[in-house]
Amino acid sequence: DTGVSQDPRHKITKRGQNVTFRCDPISEHNRLYWYRQTLGQGPEFLTYFQNEAQLEKSRLLSDRFSAERPKGSFSTLEIQRTEQGDSAMYLCASSYITRGVDYGYTFGSGTRLTVV
Amino acid sequence: AQKITQTQPGMFVQEKEAVTLDCTYDTSDQSYGLFWYKQPSSGEMIFLIYQGSYDEQNATEGRYSLNFQKARKSANLVISASQLGDSAMYFCAMREFRGNTPLVFGKGTRLSVIA
Repeated sequence: DTGVSQDPRHKITKRGQNVTFRCDPISEHNRLYWYRQTLGQGPEFLTYFQNEAQLEKSRLLSDRFSAERPKGSFSTLEIQRTEQGDSAMYLCASSYITRGVDYGYTFGSGTRLTVV
Repeated sequence: AQKITQTQPGMFVQEKEAVTLDCTYDTSDQSYGLFWYKQPSSGEMIFLIYQGSYDEQNATEGRYSLNFQKARKSANLVISASQLGDSAMYFCAMREFRGNTPLVFGKGTRLSVIA
């Protein structure tokens, strides 16, 4: 296992279309995080899972966004009815937490979304 | 709520010189961790260095060191002997451990190393 994989690396879509991104975490990691990064800004937290449970969602995650992590393995982030403001880099990270100790995040290379 | 402030949008440094990137933070938690990440133009976030709030010594990792001043709530990154490959965005981030919160990032500093 070489790290966190994200697919696709780039996605161009027309406004109003739906898009889905996939993240494959490091296999032994039980936590998975989604972040969004717009140009010139730091990553902003969207949501995270511990195993298959979605434990927290940011206010940034509007009802057009949905994330899943079936069986606690890979995760998908879907954006419905995309808007130009959704154009950003979507970063996935995973970590291993046990007894309340988190052993640090590993990030994927991100999916860059452009809505035209 | 936790907050990270990076006041330097961009910095220039001569190759082989040292540079300090500033980071201040705000938290009401006593137990927290501070992180620095590097993001090259390719986009991936590369972990550089970690400092725990209870660590008494400043963290060091190779050419990276963290100047941790807890009373001032600052966690500046020092890069020694800068290399051309250090040119990238640098992000300071923090987690509060009691609330088990996700990483919160600052806006970043773009470092350009000049030959």
